[in-house]
Amino acid sequence: NAGVTQTPKFHILKIGQSMTLQCTQDMNHNYMYWYRQDPGMGLKLIYYSVGAGITDKGEVPNGYNVSRSTTEDFPLRLELAAPSQTSVYFCASSYSMAGANGYTFGSGTRLTVV
Amino acid sequence: QQQVKQSPQSLIVQKGGIPIINCAYENTAFDYFPWYQQFPGKGPALLIAIRPDVSEKKEGRFTISFNKSAKQFSLHIMDSQPGDSATYFCAATWIGGATNKLIFGTGTLLAVQP
Repeated sequence: NAGVTQTPKFHILKIGQSMTLQCTQDMNHNYMYWYRQDPGMGLKLIYYSVGAGITDKGEVPNGYNVSRSTTEDFPLRLELAAPSQTSVYFCASSYSMAGANGYTFGSGTRLTVV
Repeated sequence: QQQVKQSPQSLIVQKGGIPIINCAYENTAFDYFPWYQQFPGKGPALLIAIRPDVSEKKEGRFTISFNKSAKQFSLHIMDSQPGDSATYFCAATWIGGATNKLIFGTGTLLAVQP
């Protein structure tokens, strides 16, 4: 199984541009999450989804949007990119919200906004 | 009450040493405490987890110690190796809650020197 696949792995974006980070999972998990990771700041939850068609905000949703049209896919949209969005973004999925069987993370997308 | 405080932020030990990473929580409803390990360029992965009905859990060289009265838990790595160099995240949640997400600590960057 591929697990959680994120694309692209690296990207440089200009200020004001928009882009979509892709995330797909093949484990039939209902729960999916987007985190950003900044040095010394840990993992900050951006958005999450409890199933197809249902999404909700996490700790730091401003400047981002998500959609969940299928169980497998959970893309993250950055609108009007700002330097503060320079970060490493991780998508994750789980069988349960509490993650008793673990959250499965992708390998991340390193995004630089210049 | 939703925070998980992790320390130290970084840690350097010699090969064979026993690094200890500490976490503290406030929410007494939390009943599931996992640790995640993240290697450079990869997403975090579940390492070991403990429920509050036991005070210690061992898996190989990794041990979680849990102190329910102090609301603290820690990760010990016995006979540490350079391959253990990674970022370690503690986390906590209430496993019985259908909408309760994992709350992550801020991470500890561990370097094990040869």
